[in-house]
Amino acid sequence: QVQLVESGGGVVQPGRSLRLSCAASGFTFSSYGMHWVRQAPGKGLEWVAVIWYDGSNKYYADSVKGRFTISRDNSKNTLYLQMNFLRAEDTALYYCARDQEAGGATYQPFDYWGQGTLVSVSS
Amino acid sequence: DIQMTQSPSTLSASVGDRVTITCRASQSISSWLAWYQQKPGKAPKLLIYKASSLESGVPSRFSGSGSGTEFTLTISSLQPDDFATYYCQQYSSWWTFGLGTKVETK
Repeated sequence: QVQLVESGGGVVQPGRSLRLSCAASGFTFSSYGMHWVRQAPGKGLEWVAVIWYDGSNKYYADSVKGRFTISRDNSKNTLYLQMNFLRAEDTALYYCARDQEAGGATYQPFDYWGQGTLVSVSS
Repeated sequence: DIQMTQSPSTLSASVGDRVTITCRASQSISSWLAWYQQKPGKAPKLLIYKASSLESGVPSRFSGSGSGTEFTLTISSLQPDDFATYYCQQYSSWWTFGLGTKVETK
């Protein structure tokens, strides 16, 4: 069965960095586009970043552009989010999520989500 | 950027009720709309994609309709397991979510 397991969250001071990981299993990871989506406490969902199945393209929400970097290691079935220059407003539960269809270069909904890892930015 | 507006933000209903949630896009998104259900402490779950297609394993009491800028999610007969927050998402141009509709017990 498809599993996505996030890790790497924690409490960090403003301006510092953190790297999140998402370990995937139960499917051919290298065939699917992957996303990071976040949810601030008590708030709605915000798409953060996407990486194509082969890592050839990466796109970001304006709120994180220039500070966050999405990457993947298809040999390790793992997705990453490097978060630099963290701000209080980055405090959220960060989910990784999978494109619904393999190999697509078009926009798709997300059919599997991890349980999330919590990032808290506070001095 | 495409903005998504959901209404109502909260809906009070009883088991057996027919429930309808509306989502409006700031510009046409054709049928590139999904609906998710989220329960407290859990990840979102895909219910409907392409506006009206039911995701595998989702009960048939859930249905979606609409195209262009106006969409609805309908639960034909609300069950105890359906009390949750529902989000619409457009995937016509990047990805944007609505602010959510919480379905609570009347």
